[in-house]
Amino acid sequence: EAQVTQNPRYLITVTGKKLTVTCSQNMNHEYMSWYRQDPGLGLRQIYYSMNVEVTDKGDVPEGYKVSRKEKRNFPLILESPSPNQTSLYFCASSLTSGGSSGANVLTFGAGSRLTVL
Amino acid sequence: KQEVTQIPAALSVPEGENLVLNCSFTDSAIYNLQWFRQDPGKGLTSLLLIQSSQREQTSGRLNASLDKSSGRSTLYIAASQPGDSATYLCAVEYSSASKIIFGSGTRLSIRP
Repeated sequence: EAQVTQNPRYLITVTGKKLTVTCSQNMNHEYMSWYRQDPGLGLRQIYYSMNVEVTDKGDVPEGYKVSRKEKRNFPLILESPSPNQTSLYFCASSLTSGGSSGANVLTFGAGSRLTVL
Repeated sequence: KQEVTQIPAALSVPEGENLVLNCSFTDSAIYNLQWFRQDPGKGLTSLLLIQSSQREQTSGRLNASLDKSSGRSTLYIAASQPGDSATYLCAVEYSSASKIIFGSGTRLSIRP
């Protein structure tokens, strides 16, 4: 089944304890991105990647890191989590990005709910 | 600043009605606009993608239109059903960078 898989789905952690949220897709998609969703603020893009070894900042990158060493994986790293990073996180991918193409349809993971105490 | 706005934030209609959801965006230099559905506690499901060169797209009871010059898109839902109850979000991919900006969504409730 074509899908985007995120882990963990739920996590409670404490301030300062490094954590990684994994994201994997099995569709050979070039484009991958991370979003956070907060009440009243909607979805905001954290980082995106156009292809392997190519990453760029979205609108809210502070406090996050990403890497794209393989096409299928795009982990989100919180080096020193703080309570303001408590949120619902989504990973998404599409075959391509940019240009005007029907191949830009985004497929989302099920989400990872993170609580930082 | 690139912004995507959805009004109203919530909408409740009786079953069977046709309805229109609105999405407006600043800056007409876009690659595409997508409409998504989000059920409570779930991820987003893509409904329709309209490329910048297109005026509309249709899928079943759904029809999405795009007017770049006015910075507007509408999602038309025909013969609404209780199963259509969800939050509907639009997202714009701007051509200045591969940034995708989401509206805050319209929470739709269909009353049986």
